Amino acid sequence: QSALTQPPSASGSPGQSVTISCTGTSSDVGGYNYVSWYQQHPGKAPKLMIYEVSKRPSGVPDRFSGSKSGNTASLTVSGLQAEDEADYYCSSYAGRNNPGVFGGGTKLTVL
Amino acid sequence: EVQLLESGGGLVQPGGSLRLSCAASGFTFSNYAMNWVRQAPGKGLDWVACISGSGGATHYAASVKGRFTISRDNSKNTLSLQMNSLTGEDTAVYSCAKDVGDNAFNAFDIWGQGTMVTVSS
Repeated sequence: QSALTQPPSASGSPGQSVTISCTGTSSDVGGYNYVSWYQQHPGKAPKLMIYEVSKRPSGVPDRFSGSKSGNTASLTVSGLQAEDEADYYCSSYAGRNNPGVFGGGTKLTVL
Repeated sequence: EVQLLESGGGLVQPGGSLRLSCAASGFTFSNYAMNWVRQAPGKGLDWVACISGSGGATHYAASVKGRFTISRDNSKNTLSLQMNSLTGEDTAVYSCAKDVGDNAFNAFDIWGQGTMVTVSS
């Protein structure tokens, strides 16, 4: 199972918006509404930010939003804050035979 | 407090075996699918395996199928991963993660801190 494709890096200034893409295929991202996004700070466990394409778990700021178009999912962070600087990973369900796949990760830098 | 605590990592020679455990607390363990996810040093997340809440369904990444076995004991709120025929490519921090439901691979809302597995001679 190939990993989902994410840009290795993204950046923005405080207060700006940034969008991170996650490209898969019709067998994963495009085929199911089970796309999730995780935030990981150095040395810490990943934190679930978005699940089922656009749902936010309790406690996640509404500055974080998710969407999907075709085989590409996106995470948008609005009103960037210094604490948003982290690695972000997307994941998708990919069918019964090999259900799980992650993206390679995107390092978000707040300038 | 909802918590996952892994144990069992360590240094093992190529071709060797290791058994990881994950102790869960603070939620009804049997209601949720559970997963193992690994992260090699400086690399990204890599899904390894998942098991349904009842333990009746398991799924594996192609890279570990036939070598790793995921299991759970709902009476002890414990998740396990038996790893055999280990290679250097299995070197990583292994974390257990709780799914938001009982489906195979939806989203992981609770993560442990992980246990390091190093495969080296």
